[in-house]
Amino acid sequence: KAGVTQTPRYLIKTRGQQVTLSCSPISGHRSVSWYQQTPGQGLQFLFEYFSETQRNKGNFPGRFSGRQFSNSRSEMNVSTLELGDSALYLCASSSAAQYQRLVLAKNEQFFGPGTRLTVL
Amino acid sequence: GQNIDQPTEMTATEGAIVQINCTYQTSGFNGLFWYQQHAGEAPTFLSYNVLDGLEEKGRFSSFLSRSKGYSYLLLKELQMKDSASYLCAVRNDYKLSFGAGTTVTVRA
Repeated sequence: KAGVTQTPRYLIKTRGQQVTLSCSPISGHRSVSWYQQTPGQGLQFLFEYFSETQRNKGNFPGRFSGRQFSNSRSEMNVSTLELGDSALYLCASSSAAQYQRLVLAKNEQFFGPGTRLTVL
Repeated sequence: GQNIDQPTEMTATEGAIVQINCTYQTSGFNGLFWYQQHAGEAPTFLSYNVLDGLEEKGRFSSFLSRSKGYSYLLLKELQMKDSASYLCAVRNDYKLSFGAGTTVTVRA
């Protein structure tokens, strides 16, 4: 079974530009979550999509948005890039959404390799 | 809000045992995960606890006490390849919240 894939792997942008990142989950997984990872803040939750609907959102400004398609692939968009947006963006897929209270179920997330975004 | 604490760094010798502690204060609890992340790579799932007690999987074990808001990851018979960052993550009603990670360095 193929793992989670993310494209592109590396991206360099300048302040003010916008960027779109893509994530393809493991086949059969319907939940995709996005995280920002920086040395100072660690892994910060951005949002989760399940069945094409955003189910939960972290504490990030509205410049960060996303969507999910009917095949469960997801895209994340960051508009008006700032220097502080430089980070590793990770997506993770799971079979069920994290909000679904499946008793004792592990429902672990499988992470993709990430997109390294550098904003100059 | 969520507050998840774990030590920043730990160093141990090859063949030894290391215990990484994680304490948490979260609104709601629906499971605790440990992930391993090698430098430049994606986090990979190590263990899951949702009930109190010890879960063992080969050289790795994880313990949970929900009443104390406490977990630990035990790495036995350390190998050089175990040098990595170990992330503690708590799932509440709707999302995973991660600790900052503990960087473990294994020395020969």
